[in-house]
Amino acid sequence: KQEVTQIPAALSVPEGENLVLNCSFTDSAIYNLQWFRQDPGKGLTSLLLIQSSQREQTSGRLNASLDKSSGRSTLYIAASQPGDSATYLCAVRGATSGTYKYIFGTGTRLKVLA
Amino acid sequence: DTGVSQDPRHKITKRGQNVTFRCDPISEHNRLYWYRQTLGQGPEFLTYFQNEAQLEKSRLLSDRFSAERPKGSFSTLEIQRTEQGDSAMYLCASSGMNTEAFFGQGTRLTVV
Repeated sequence: KQEVTQIPAALSVPEGENLVLNCSFTDSAIYNLQWFRQDPGKGLTSLLLIQSSQREQTSGRLNASLDKSSGRSTLYIAASQPGDSATYLCAVRGATSGTYKYIFGTGTRLKVLA
Repeated sequence: DTGVSQDPRHKITKRGQNVTFRCDPISEHNRLYWYRQTLGQGPEFLTYFQNEAQLEKSRLLSDRFSAERPKGSFSTLEIQRTEQGDSAMYLCASSGMNTEAFFGQGTRLTVV
């Protein structure tokens, strides 16, 4: 059974810092991994999708890496800003036959202080 | 296309009442997902449609829950005889085949 863990659960940093959020998963048989951002009381906003054959994806100040064999992904945020404050969720879609769902971690709550 | 749309955004209902939520996915997406999220937790999978076929259901989806996607376009999620434990955010997402999943803004259900 796939389990997704995100560490740390919460993080508070001063503006301008570079930071790394971690995601680990127990079953390396995945199709892809997606990072999302969620603001309080809102839906999820897609940040980056990494297919199982890829090692990393970049979008602006965000870079996500994937090491499928070790069951890990990291989301790197460069030059953090107060507007980056949100909960960041990772989700994996398994490659087991007959399953299509994304399994989510519990998220990392990020606060960037001005 | 403005993305995944969910209606209503908020619903307050009395225990024992039935409620129905609607999700309009991105038009070219054939995959549609329903999730439930409670405070401080990640979204939990409820069910998945590929076109009009419901291909996967979570054990969380008790007999009181039913979902449909009659023409492979919009979807509805109905909860019968609501209980206080059903209070949560209900999220809908859509995607193409192995492409990025996009979520709606969710429907927040409060059962009083």
